[in-house]
Amino acid sequence: ELKVEQNPLFLSMQEGKNYTIYCNYSTTSDRLYWYRQDPGKSLESLFVLLSNGAVKQEGRLMASLDTKARLSTLHITAAVHDLSATYFCAVNPLNSGNTPLVFGKGTRLSVIA
Amino acid sequence: NAGVTQTPKFRVLKTGQSMTLLCAQDMNHEYMYWYRQDPGMGLRLIHYSVGEGTTAKGEVPDGYNVSRLKKQNFLLGLESAAPSQTSVYFCASSYGRTQYFGPGTRLTVT
Repeated sequence: ELKVEQNPLFLSMQEGKNYTIYCNYSTTSDRLYWYRQDPGKSLESLFVLLSNGAVKQEGRLMASLDTKARLSTLHITAAVHDLSATYFCAVNPLNSGNTPLVFGKGTRLSVIA
Repeated sequence: NAGVTQTPKFRVLKTGQSMTLLCAQDMNHEYMYWYRQDPGMGLRLIHYSVGEGTTAKGEVPDGYNVSRLKKQNFLLGLESAAPSQTSVYFCASSYGRTQYFGPGTRLTVT
């Protein structure tokens, strides 16, 4: 059974600081997703990481994937208040694009002045 | 192009009542999914469908039934609602690598 663990689950950080959210998963997969959820809203796709060593960046967020370590990171650079949200990583349990995703519990990020 | 839509957005049920949640997508996606989201639990898969006329159980299927009579619609039914089914329900659909989520249905069972 595939397990996906995120840490930390709660993160309060000051504006301008850097931080990393970690996502570990328990079985082989070469496909990992990061989603963002604002309070009371749906999930918005941020990144799809498809291969070992994949790195993607969008604004102040950068995601990477190490399939050998079964680890993905979401790095936040110079945080701003608008990044406050809950971030989920999700993994396909099999190497199939349409297999249902298994989600981590989410990291609730709060960026404070 | 509306994407993934869900009906209703909010609902309050009494224990034992039944209801159906409707998910519709206009992207011609083969795959559709129902998840529930509870505080501190992330999203958990209830049922999913790999095409019209097919359904399969996910991680937490008990107490729910689903049907996919048309490709664009995926229905989630609660035959006898229980307080443990109070949650936010998300529908999603996919064709390629990314799942697209609906806006959610907030259900309260009293």
